[in-house]
Amino acid sequence: DQQVKQNSPSLSVQEGRISILNCDYTNSMFDYFLWYKKYPAEGPTFLISISSIKDKNEDGRFTVFLNKSAKHLSLHIVPSQPGDSAVYFCAASRTGFQKLVFGTGTRLLVSP
Amino acid sequence: EPEVTQTPSHQVTQMGQEVILRCVPISNHLYFYWYRQILGQKVEFLVSFYNNEISEKSEIFDDQFSVERPDGSNFTLKIRSTKLEDSAMYFCASSGSNQETQYFGPGTRLLVL
Repeated sequence: DQQVKQNSPSLSVQEGRISILNCDYTNSMFDYFLWYKKYPAEGPTFLISISSIKDKNEDGRFTVFLNKSAKHLSLHIVPSQPGDSAVYFCAASRTGFQKLVFGTGTRLLVSP
Repeated sequence: EPEVTQTPSHQVTQMGQEVILRCVPISNHLYFYWYRQILGQKVEFLVSFYNNEISEKSEIFDDQFSVERPDGSNFTLKIRSTKLEDSAMYFCASSGSNQETQYFGPGTRLLVL
């Protein structure tokens, strides 16, 4: 099941710079997208979401961009902080279904 | 801040044994879910539960699995006869009326020997 893909398994960024995490999906029926952050041995923590009726949603240092025609979304973190170091998952769902489909995750390392 | 809790945090069992994983969802939430993550793999959906019945389930959720809301606060996942391949982190999640943003618990690490 490759409906949601995160092609970069890891990303290293310096503190204060921008982190950009990417996610692609194949199912055009998806209409709600979420980003979760996960530390080892913990559950996914919700970060930010976006509905398909929007192309951008912002919450503090986190901004999610959605390009429906390209079936692509990205998470921007600016400025990046060492505490942001974690695995980031994108997930997608469609109206009428509760199931979240997750990507494989990108491990972000923010170095001081 | 309200959170989803899960017990136990770790469970070791012998193949063929029954296990029950427990979750306390966020109190005013109406939708409940189980997911699992096998080591090195994606987080996978197992089942969703609403209004005291299963609303959606994956092909993974076969007859060896069952879910129950035995009282007003707990939500359980039972695996009747565990297999080696059931070893994974099991996450419970819940969501409110918008049924869209799901909040996850810390997980139960299940090891089947």
